[in-house]
Amino acid sequence: SAVISQKPSRDICQRGTSLTIQCQVDSQVTMMFWYRQQPGQSLTLIATANQGSEATYESGFVIDKFPISRPNLTFSTLTVSNMSPEDSSIYLCSVFAPGGLGETQYFGPGTRLLVL
Amino acid sequence: ILNVEQSPQSLHVQEGDSTNFTCSFPSSNFYALHWYRWETAKSPEALFVMTLNGDEKKKGRISATLNTKEGYSYLYIKGSQPEDSATYLCAFSGGYNKLIFGAGTRLAVHP
Repeated sequence: SAVISQKPSRDICQRGTSLTIQCQVDSQVTMMFWYRQQPGQSLTLIATANQGSEATYESGFVIDKFPISRPNLTFSTLTVSNMSPEDSSIYLCSVFAPGGLGETQYFGPGTRLLVL
Repeated sequence: ILNVEQSPQSLHVQEGDSTNFTCSFPSSNFYALHWYRWETAKSPEALFVMTLNGDEKKKGRISATLNTKEGYSYLYIKGSQPEDSATYLCAFSGGYNKLIFGAGTRLAVHP
């Protein structure tokens, strides 16, 4: 299994500002994943963060808006840049790890962001 | 575009009721189907990972079935308790460590 922590747990931000979310895993993993859930919507993958290379972004997400860092095998950050109210979401990081169910995806507790 | 649908969107039941909800997913390029329970302010918790057509898995009062040929999975909760109140998510995997989630079913169990 994997234990994941995120900071901050929640924040209220003004439009036009940026917020950096931190994700810490208790074991070394090659890939870390960043998701968001907008109100009433599905959990949607933003990007995959690989240690030692550029993050891979999903369709509709760009590096200028969501820059990601991955300095080592246990840590990653996601920045939400130049925020607008549409960025109000829950942001989660996750990793795949072996566990009692076989290999499955473990999630952090999420960062609840409200943009005014 | 791969689509994962969950129904109903929300459900209110009384304590002791049994309930079930549905996850529909693409029947092609199937690798695995995941079920999660997500309580407010907590991490989503993996319940089941299902890979074989006809699979049935059980964890306490919760069980799930899988039909990969027609692209659906059912989650059943027997004798619902207030602590079962959560959002239940399913996620389709076509491989490559990428999950596509449904929007979830929000379950509220009233004492």
